[in-house]
Amino acid sequence: EAQVTQNPRYLITVTGKKLTVTCSQNMNHEYMSWYRQDPGLGLRQIYYSMNVEVTDKGDVPEGYKVSRKEKRNFPLILESPSPNQTSLYFCASRDRILEQYFGPGTRLTVT
Amino acid sequence: AQSVTQLDSQVPVFEEAPVELRCNYSSSVSVYLFWYVQYPNQGLQLLLKYLSGSTLVESINGFEAEFNKSQTSFHLRKPSVHISDTAEYFCAVGANAGGTSYGKLTFGQGTILTVHP
Repeated sequence: EAQVTQNPRYLITVTGKKLTVTCSQNMNHEYMSWYRQDPGLGLRQIYYSMNVEVTDKGDVPEGYKVSRKEKRNFPLILESPSPNQTSLYFCASRDRILEQYFGPGTRLTVT
Repeated sequence: AQSVTQLDSQVPVFEEAPVELRCNYSSSVSVYLFWYVQYPNQGLQLLLKYLSGSTLVESINGFEAEFNKSQTSFHLRKPSVHISDTAEYFCAVGANAGGTSYGKLTFGQGTILTVHP
C-alpha cells in the first residue's frame, strides 16, 4: 500500500529538549515536504526536498532542520523546541503530477 | 509568489442542502489547483484537482470545482451534502513553472464544513 508514515504520532516534550520526527514514504517520490498546521492559518511549508541531499527552506523554517540522506526518509529535527512550535505536523511526498500524499500527522506539544 | 484565500472560515449547513466553499488565488505564473479534505483527527486527502483541460472537475463523492481563470477562483460545490461531509476543506495552489517554486503547494486557511441533521 502506498503510504507516508510518521512517528511519533503524539509527542509532549519540554522546552530545549532536542527531538526528531521521522517520515518515510514507499512510493519512490523525489519531492518531500514538511508542513505545520495551526488553527486559522492552514498549512504552512517548513522545509522541502527536491531529491536526496537537496533541501531548501519553505515559508516558516526558523527553529527546524531537515536532512535527506535517503530517498524514502525525510526527518524533521527540532534542536531546541520552544512552546511556539506546538502544532500539528504533516509530512508529504509528491508524485510527478503534483499530487501530494500526506502522512497521518504528528501532534507536538512543547511545555 | 502565490497565495490562497478561503473566504469562509466556517460554513454550517443542513443535510441535503447545497453548499459552496469559496477559494480565490493569486499567482504570477500559471497554476495547478487542488482541494484537500481533512476529516476529524486524520491527515489530508486529495478531493479533486485541476491540472489542465476541462475547467470543471469532479470528485467521486459528488463534489465539483470550477477553475475560473478570469476571476482567479476555484470554488468547491456540492448540490446535496451529507452528515459524513463534515470536515475541514483546504484549497491549495501549485506553481506550474520551472525553478524552485515548481511543485510548491500553498494552502488556504481552511473552511470547516459542518453538516447538521
